[in-house]
Amino acid sequence: GENVEQHPSTLSVQEGDSAVIKCTYSDSASNYFPWYKQELGKRPQLIIDIRSNVGEKKDQRIAVTLNKTAKHFSLHITETQPEDSAVYFCAASRVGGGADGLTFGKGTHLIIQP
Amino acid sequence: KAGVTQTPRYLIKTRGQQVTLSCSPISGHRSVSWYQQTPGQGLQFLFEYFSETQRNKGNFPGRFSGRQFSNSRSEMNVSTLELGDSALYLCASSLDSWGFNEQFFGPGTRLTVL
Repeated sequence: GENVEQHPSTLSVQEGDSAVIKCTYSDSASNYFPWYKQELGKRPQLIIDIRSNVGEKKDQRIAVTLNKTAKHFSLHITETQPEDSAVYFCAASRVGGGADGLTFGKGTHLIIQP
Repeated sequence: KAGVTQTPRYLIKTRGQQVTLSCSPISGHRSVSWYQQTPGQGLQFLFEYFSETQRNKGNFPGRFSGRQFSNSRSEMNVSTLELGDSALYLCASSLDSWGFNEQFFGPGTRLTVL
């Protein structure tokens, strides 16, 4: 089945700096890669997603890049703000699901230092 | 539009008991997925239901089961509870399967097994 590795597990950056979180996946059939943000005590919320026919996608301060050959994808957050502090999860799946459904990474705790 | 709701929010059970959790999706959403979230294993996919049929299933023992009703509400049942079943159980709904539409998570049910 699919296996998703996520690094780092904790990331501390100064407010205003950029943050990068990286994930690798194992199943070459995976073609859908969402990123979720989970604040303490709250539910996960989708912040951006990308399909395998696209190499990069941006939404304001957030961007995701995908390298299908290397089977890795990354989340980039620029001009970080205190409200960006949360746990971020990457995930991989085949569009339409599959035996493994959505496979998540273990999460990255992003800490924004004032 | 009301979000995804889950009941109950908290449950305390003892080993060997069984439990039923409920999830009401966003109106119009036909796909409901269930996830288990623990500090050690992170977010793990349990199963997905679409139009009352289990469409995808994760790697969990048969003690974990679910169903979906004609109004798309879904229930998850865990029989013969074990200590390791203590977790936050999240459901997520979408218009159709992930990859086509965003998944919206509910607040979760916190299950504690003593």
